[in-house]
Amino acid sequence: GAGVSQSPSNKVTEKGKDVELRCDPISGHTALYWYRQSLGQGLEFLIYFQGNSAPDKSGLPSDRFSAERTGGSVSTLTIQRTQQEDSAVYLCASSFLLDGYTDTQYFGPGTRLTVL
Amino acid sequence: GESVGLHLPTLSVQEGDNSIINCAYSNSASDYFIWYKQESGKGPQFIIDIRSNMDKRQGQRVTVLLNKTVKHLSLQIAATQPGDSAVYFCAEAYSGAGSYQLTFGKGTKLSVIP
Repeated sequence: GAGVSQSPSNKVTEKGKDVELRCDPISGHTALYWYRQSLGQGLEFLIYFQGNSAPDKSGLPSDRFSAERTGGSVSTLTIQRTQQEDSAVYLCASSFLLDGYTDTQYFGPGTRLTVL
Repeated sequence: GESVGLHLPTLSVQEGDNSIINCAYSNSASDYFIWYKQESGKGPQFIIDIRSNMDKRQGQRVTVLLNKTVKHLSLQIAATQPGDSAVYFCAEAYSGAGSYQLTFGKGTKLSVIP
């Protein structure tokens, strides 16, 4: 019964570099979410994958952000040309769907991204 | 697999009436609470939040009430509109010990009758 895992746990990068964050959801969960939390801020929704449907990308803050979910399982969040304001903890969650909506979301430990 | 046979609790209200959605949280140490709205096929949308040092907070047409004694949170929507139809769920967060733990509750489906 492994939970949601994320890698790396910490990432320090230089401004302008690209980064990739990985999320392994709980097996069988059809819904996957990416959030981020900046220092002192609440949880900010980024993107939502629901089964084979087109993802809801409405929360992505700019076109430098993109995410993929391959084979309905592992997801990667890519940030291109990182900026200092991208520094945050990036959280991934997965869930079953209940009536087409999210059931209880299970969160990974997060990736702390620091852009110098 | 999926939770076949189980359904979200549903609240049906007439357009124009006020809606009250309730949530019981589990951790008495939680110090931050958030209400999210999720429309079909979309991700969660932040509505309003409240910290544990408050018992009421108002936004635009929404009010969140926190009762720490009984670990209860409610979301009140004034003059409910068809666009309010969605699933609403609360989240509790505990930021102690240098870690951040967020727990989402099960949602409530709000159906607005025109």
